[in-house]
Amino acid sequence: QVQIVQSGAEVKKPGASVKVSCKASGYTFTNYAIHWVRQAPGQRLEWMGWIDAGHGDTKHSQRFQGRVTITRDTSANTAYMELSSLRSEDTAMYYCARGSYYDSSGYYFDLWGRGTLVTVSS
Amino acid sequence: QSVLTQPPSVSGAPGQRVTISCTGSSSNIGAGYDVHWYQQPPGSAPKLLIYGSENRPSGVPDRFSGSKSGTSASLAISGLQAEDEADYYCQSYDSQPHDNSRSGSVFGEGTKLTVL
Repeated sequence: QVQIVQSGAEVKKPGASVKVSCKASGYTFTNYAIHWVRQAPGQRLEWMGWIDAGHGDTKHSQRFQGRVTITRDTSANTAYMELSSLRSEDTAMYYCARGSYYDSSGYYFDLWGRGTLVTVSS
Repeated sequence: QSVLTQPPSVSGAPGQRVTISCTGSSSNIGAGYDVHWYQQPPGSAPKLLIYGSENRPSGVPDRFSGSKSGTSASLAISGLQAEDEADYYCQSYDSQPHDNSRSGSVFGEGTKLTVL
């Protein structure tokens, strides 16, 4: 079964870091990218960054410059997103999604995890 | 990064046809980048609805169709059903050639579809 399973909800204090995992199964992990998208309560989807699961190349939105680290473990078919220096505004649902490259137009996201709720509160 | 503009809400009666617009700029849709659409029911993860501006993944009913022209794209839903009630997002790629660190995927603001 083709699916992505994300790690469970997290509660963190301001200034701490959180690391969310994203385990893929049912397809060749290294043939695709994994993207991270977050959604604050009642807000729109926001793209955070991605990793080429095969080569390990990464790119992230400048909004998260210096705070986000995206990695992967090909032996475990798992990608990770670590966000540091957390603040209350980072409270959101964090999704990982499989990225399929389309015709020199970047990626679309054809398989999504169910999301990981990260709450930042003192 | 630029944000794609969508109407906050649209509505229609069962059986009717509705369209959702997605307006970009010369750095994304207007630059020729394709648009992809997602459906997000309340409390659920997004689901791919249209890719490459007009292509449906297998399993998506042909009631859903997409188009693109100039700096805009549209999602049309015909034969509205109660189960179509959800938030809909467009997504594209935004290119900033003078500062590649600012390039990346962008989403629209989202449109809430209400089936009356």
